[in-house]
Amino acid sequence: QKEVEQNSGPLSVPEGAIASLNCTYSDRGSQSFFWYRQYSGKSPELIMSIYSNGDKEDGRFTAQLNKASQYVSLLIRDSQPSDSATYLCAVPNDYKLSFGAGTTVTVRA
Amino acid sequence: DTAVSQTPKYLVTQMGNDKSIKCEQNLGHDTMYWYKQDSKKFLKIMFSYNNKELIINETVPNRFSPKSPDKAHLNLHINSLELGDSAVYFCASSHRTGNSPLHFGNGTRLTVT
Repeated sequence: QKEVEQNSGPLSVPEGAIASLNCTYSDRGSQSFFWYRQYSGKSPELIMSIYSNGDKEDGRFTAQLNKASQYVSLLIRDSQPSDSATYLCAVPNDYKLSFGAGTTVTVRA
Repeated sequence: DTAVSQTPKYLVTQMGNDKSIKCEQNLGHDTMYWYKQDSKKFLKIMFSYNNKELIINETVPNRFSPKSPDKAHLNLHINSLELGDSAVYFCASSHRTGNSPLHFGNGTRLTVT
């Protein structure tokens, strides 16, 4: 079983719609969860951290965590063309951060 | 001010050569990492150092040798380069090991011909 799994993309959404990205993880003891955004040819950039069950909102981004189901998601509301990127879920595991394979999002104008 | 800087940005070399990538962070973090991102964009950890001490070595060929002269620097030396080493290598740092988010450098795109 992979340590971190993300829903396979690519995901194409129209401008103004909600993009929904999902991530599951294997280590039940994980306490912190991160979402990174990576534009093509650039380095990953942290956009959200979440530590407690429930929702956390930051601007147009909402992270949702359910530790019982070992599930973390990211919603992007009012999607803009500038949101087109690959989104990586990251979960701590054995003193390192393990990443999912990423979901590529394309926002159609 | 660049938080995590790595050089060079691009590295093109032939099979069998030896090359180095340098990384420096000015965030005051204790832990530094090397990650490899392959053509499918999968980010995989290679090494982690905490306060100059190696704590993670993820089944990386021993042609790869990291060196940390101090906690602000982590370099990567690669001997006898192979075609399969072509990838983007990211240096990163974090406040502490494990539960802290990573801050990434801009990456080094290595192409072995």
